[in-house]
Amino acid sequence: DQQVKQNSPSLSVQEGRISILNCDYTNSMFDYFLWYKKYPAEGPTFLISISSIKDKNEDGRFTVFLNKSAKHLSLHIVPSQPGDSAVYFCAASAQGGSEKLVFGKGTKLTVNP
Amino acid sequence: GAGVSQTPSNKVTEKGKYVELRCDPISGHTALYWYRQSLGQGPEFLIYFQGTGAADDSGLPNDRFFAVRPEGSVSTLKIQRTERGDSAVYLCASSLSAGAYEQYFGPGTRLTVT
Repeated sequence: DQQVKQNSPSLSVQEGRISILNCDYTNSMFDYFLWYKKYPAEGPTFLISISSIKDKNEDGRFTVFLNKSAKHLSLHIVPSQPGDSAVYFCAASAQGGSEKLVFGKGTKLTVNP
Repeated sequence: GAGVSQTPSNKVTEKGKYVELRCDPISGHTALYWYRQSLGQGPEFLIYFQGTGAADDSGLPNDRFFAVRPEGSVSTLKIQRTERGDSAVYLCASSLSAGAYEQYFGPGTRLTVT
């Protein structure tokens, strides 16, 4: 049973346009959400996070939106750049316990020049 | 500063053999995590250390897998009697402390069991 779902395996956008990556979760105990970016042959790199007490967090070109009632979050990248091409993983964690991260399967983003 | 390092970067072993994978976390990080990533999947949690002790090993798939962190820094993931299904990228991550949600990952060790 996948607790974190990224239903789009891939996304292709034009340079300069907005990229929107989506993530859904099922476990209502999750209270912290993270996005990681991964290039081939490298480990995941932390990108941006959001606590469940917020509905938006922004860092430069990257914004994460959280809709708790829908158990949905999204990552917006604007403007998209070719260097953003990578696999993006959504991850979630629950307070207390082991703070382990539960990951989605990832979305491969391709930004075309 | 230096990030999380993992050695070896690649390991090929025969079915039934024993392997050790090493992780060196970011200096000063007290929490250390092991994940496993299979092709087309996201990383899956294996075990988490806070200091020297395993705080949660619920992700270890069976008793062939074991991990240690004797001095609270470097960790070793040990796999006995390897099987072809163990082939994956093994990722290590560290964070400043338990409850510091941002985890920083190493480049991983690609394990291939033939």
